[in-house]
Amino acid sequence: AQSVTQLGSHVSVSEGALVLLRCNYSSSVPPYLFWYVQYPNQGLQLLLKYTSAATLVKGINGFEAEFKKSETSFHLTKPSAHMSDAAEYFCAVSFPSGSARQLTFGSGTQLTVLP
Amino acid sequence: EPEVTQTPSHQVTQMGQEVILRCVPISNHLYFYWYRQILGQKVEFLVSFYNNEISEKSEIFDDQFSVERPDGSNFTLKIRSTKLEDSAMYFCASKGQPVANTGELFFGEGSRLTVL
Repeated sequence: AQSVTQLGSHVSVSEGALVLLRCNYSSSVPPYLFWYVQYPNQGLQLLLKYTSAATLVKGINGFEAEFKKSETSFHLTKPSAHMSDAAEYFCAVSFPSGSARQLTFGSGTQLTVLP
Repeated sequence: EPEVTQTPSHQVTQMGQEVILRCVPISNHLYFYWYRQILGQKVEFLVSFYNNEISEKSEIFDDQFSVERPDGSNFTLKIRSTKLEDSAMYFCASKGQPVANTGELFFGEGSRLTVL
C-alpha cells in the first residue's frame, strides 16, 4: 500500500532562511509524488509534481523538490523563505497514469515564517 | 484556465439533516474524487468515481454517504443524516484522461460543512 510520512508537523524558519520540509514515501510501484500548499481558509494548490522525468522538480513560488529513490524521499526546499510562504504543506503520492486510484496525503507540515 | 468549482462554499446544517455538496469537475476529466479535511487534521480520501460508478471508497464512506453524477457536468456528494463529526471541509477533485494523465488531481476550493 502507498503512504507518505511528513517529518515535523510544524516548522519555523526566519524570513530569508532555507526552507526544508521532509517527505518520505512508501509505494509498491514507481510513484508519482506531489506537494500541495494550503493557505489559510483556502483550497489545495499544486506546488510541484514528480512524474518520472527529471528527479529535481521546480515548482511555483521558488520551491523545488528532489526525488531520491534510494532514500524514498521527496523533500521540499526553498532557498529563501518569504512571509507569504506561511501555510500548510502536504506531500502526496499517487499511482501512475491510467489508474483511478486515489491520491494519498501526508499529515501536513505547518510552515511558520518569522520576521 | 479550467478549474474545479464547488458549491456551496459554506453550509451550516442541523444534525440529522441531509446535505448535498456539489462539484463541477474540469470538463474533459474522467476521474472524480471527494476528500475531506476535519479542522486541523490531514486530508482524507473518501471516494473515487469513474465510468459512472464508484471505483474505490474508504472506511469513512459508509452508508450515510453517496455520490452521483446526475448529468454530464455535476458530481455530487450526499450525506443522508449528518452527524456532528461530519463537520469538515470537503474537497472535490478531478483527474484527466489516461494519455495525458500524470496522476495530478485538480482540487476545488472546498465546501465547509458545519453540523450543529
